[in-house]
Amino acid sequence: AQSVSQHNHHVILSEAASLELGCNYSYGGTVNLFWYVQYPGQHLQLLLKYFSGDPLVKGIKGFEAEFIKSKFSFNLRKPSVQWSDTAEYFCAVSGSGNTGKLIFGQGTTLQVKP
Amino acid sequence: GAVVSQHPSWVICKSGTSVKIECRSLDFQATTMFWYRQFPKQSLMLMATSNEGSKATYEQGVEKDKFLINHASLTLSTLTVTSAHPEDSSFYICSARKGEKLFFGSGTQLSVL
Repeated sequence: AQSVSQHNHHVILSEAASLELGCNYSYGGTVNLFWYVQYPGQHLQLLLKYFSGDPLVKGIKGFEAEFIKSKFSFNLRKPSVQWSDTAEYFCAVSGSGNTGKLIFGQGTTLQVKP
Repeated sequence: GAVVSQHPSWVICKSGTSVKIECRSLDFQATTMFWYRQFPKQSLMLMATSNEGSKATYEQGVEKDKFLINHASLTLSTLTVTSAHPEDSSFYICSARKGEKLFFGSGTQLSVL
């Protein structure tokens, strides 16, 4: 069955701490991978995506994610979080060539304390 | 970027009534839009793919007669929850594809009494 699992449901960090949010997926075939973020009161927006090529993907606002095919993982990282990173983060997967039909993880709420 | 407008943001209705939710791409044309549903503390689940000018494609387990989707123009897709029941109470969100990117609406919280 196709699925996405985010291990951390709620993460609390202090500013300047490093962040890593886990994401594992189960999907047959070649995949596209995404991380979305939803700031309080705002729409979902794309943080970064992986389609092919370099498995280390850099996104907006200093975020990056690494695709490890052997582990079926696409973990999100940021070396030093800021209070403004407080948001909900969603990992998602789609089959390659079909970037609209997304399967989402359940989301991780990140709370950054000033 | 691009803007997707979803309306209404929240709606409360009586059991047995129908509710229409609109999803508009404001500054681009979207031949394909998607409808998702999210129950509390669960992930977003794709319900259907809405294609302009043709019938929607529904995911397994989603009743097409209950969740009517119309994508009559390049900027508007509507989801109608027919004969709503309390178990249909959920957060519904749409997205529209622009190139390789998806842009999401702000979602609609439906509460069926």
